[in-house]
Amino acid sequence: QQPVQSPQAVILREGEDAVINCSSSKALYSVHWYRQKHGEAPVFLMILLKGGEQKGHDKISASFNEKKQQSSLYLTASQLSYSGTYFCGTGDYKLSFGAGTTVTVRA
Amino acid sequence: DGGITQSPKYLFRKEGQNVTLSCEQNLNHDAMYWYRQDPGQGLRLIYYSQIVNDFQKGDIAEGYSVSREKKESFPLTVTSAQKNPTAFYLCASSTWGLAGGKNIQYFGAGTRLSVL
Repeated sequence: QQPVQSPQAVILREGEDAVINCSSSKALYSVHWYRQKHGEAPVFLMILLKGGEQKGHDKISASFNEKKQQSSLYLTASQLSYSGTYFCGTGDYKLSFGAGTTVTVRA
Repeated sequence: DGGITQSPKYLFRKEGQNVTLSCEQNLNHDAMYWYRQDPGQGLRLIYYSQIVNDFQKGDIAEGYSVSREKKESFPLTVTSAQKNPTAFYLCASSTWGLAGGKNIQYFGAGTRLSVL
C-alpha cells in the first residue's frame, strides 16, 4: 500500500527550514528517501532502518519512528539546489512510493 | 561508470502500435524494476524481476509486457492494449535478498512516451 506524504508542496526562501512527512498504514521495515529534479531520474538520498536512527545528507536529515509508522525528512537552511520533488519509499523487498512533495526554494 | 541506461529519451506511439523501451544496467544488480510516473501520482510499479528468466507483475501490469533474458537488460513493451500510455517511464535496479528493506534502488534517466 502506498505511503502518504505531506505536504503536497512547499515553497521556501533560501535559508528556511521545512519538514516532509511520510506515513504508512503498514509496519515499516525501512524508509527510503529520493529527490527528483524535473524530467530527471530520482536520486537516492538516504535509507532509514528499524531502530529510529536519524541520518543525514549534507543539511538534509531524516528520522524514522517505527511505532508511529512514519518518517520525517528535514530540510535545514535550504539552498536553491534543494528544489525538486521528494519521494519516500517503503516496503521489504520491493518498494511502494508516496505521491511526492514538491519543494521550491527561491532566492 | 556504473549506472542504468534507458533509451530512447523520447518515444512516440501510434494507435495500435507496440513500442519497446530499453533498460540496461552495469551495476551487477540482480533485481530490475519498471515504474510509470504520471503527474501527481508518484511512482507506480509495472513489473519487476529478481532473477534472469523470471519476473512478477506489479500494481499496474495490464497492457505491458517484459522479458529478462540477460541480467543486464530488462526491456518493457507497451502494447496496444494499454489505452493510456502517455507517461514518464523509469527503470531501476537494486540488489535482492537483503531483508528489512535494505535493497536500495538506483534509477535511469527515464523515457517519456507520448501518443501521436
